[in-house]
Amino acid sequence: FMLTQPHSVSESPGKTVTISCTGSSGSIASNYVQWYQQRPGSAPTAVIYEDNQRPSGVPDRFSGSIDISSNSASLTITGLKTEDEADYYCQSYDTGIGVFGGGTKVTVL
Amino acid sequence: EVQLVQSEAEVKKPGESLKISCKGSGYTFATYWIGWVRQVPGKGLEWMGIINPGDSDIRYSPSFQGQVTISADKSITTAYLQWNSLRASDTAIYYCAATKWVRGVFDHWGQGILVTVSS
Repeated sequence: FMLTQPHSVSESPGKTVTISCTGSSGSIASNYVQWYQQRPGSAPTAVIYEDNQRPSGVPDRFSGSIDISSNSASLTITGLKTEDEADYYCQSYDTGIGVFGGGTKVTVL
Repeated sequence: EVQLVQSEAEVKKPGESLKISCKGSGYTFATYWIGWVRQVPGKGLEWMGIINPGDSDIRYSPSFQGQVTISADKSITTAYLQWNSLRASDTAIYYCAATKWVRGVFDHWGQGILVTVSS
């Protein structure tokens, strides 16, 4: 089981970016999807859990969704800020074993 | 406050053994699963495996099964990741992370340990 993400996305401050995470097999809806943000030199932190829930302290500019028809999850960041520039990883489970997507570098132009 | 504090960076030679640690504090240790995540410098995150310190239930990713051993000592609230024979390809940052259930989000992360394997 694999999760595929675009390698990179870029957008200007104030705009919206959406990162996709496509499951290779089975249904993406069978297990929750998490999203992690990782800034250079730091450990990852969760920005979305259980498909669309935001941890305490994560701004509501971050949102998550699932699209069963495309077997994919998405992370959307609205009102892009320079501080959002980071790597983002989706993560889910298959038969009780965790899997991370390859990561997407978000660049704020 | 939940905290995970990992041991210091390590420099080892190929073939050597190593055991790195992750000490939990600020919570009841047995109530969170502890997972291990590898990150080769400049690359992505890899889910290695996870342990329930309460009953030592362990799950390994097929990619890491047989390559590493995950364990925990709840009496000292510490989880471990160990190798019997390191390879240069094991050079990476290793994070421990805590989740409340086996398929849950990693709520809390250690600071990461850089393990360098070089002759």
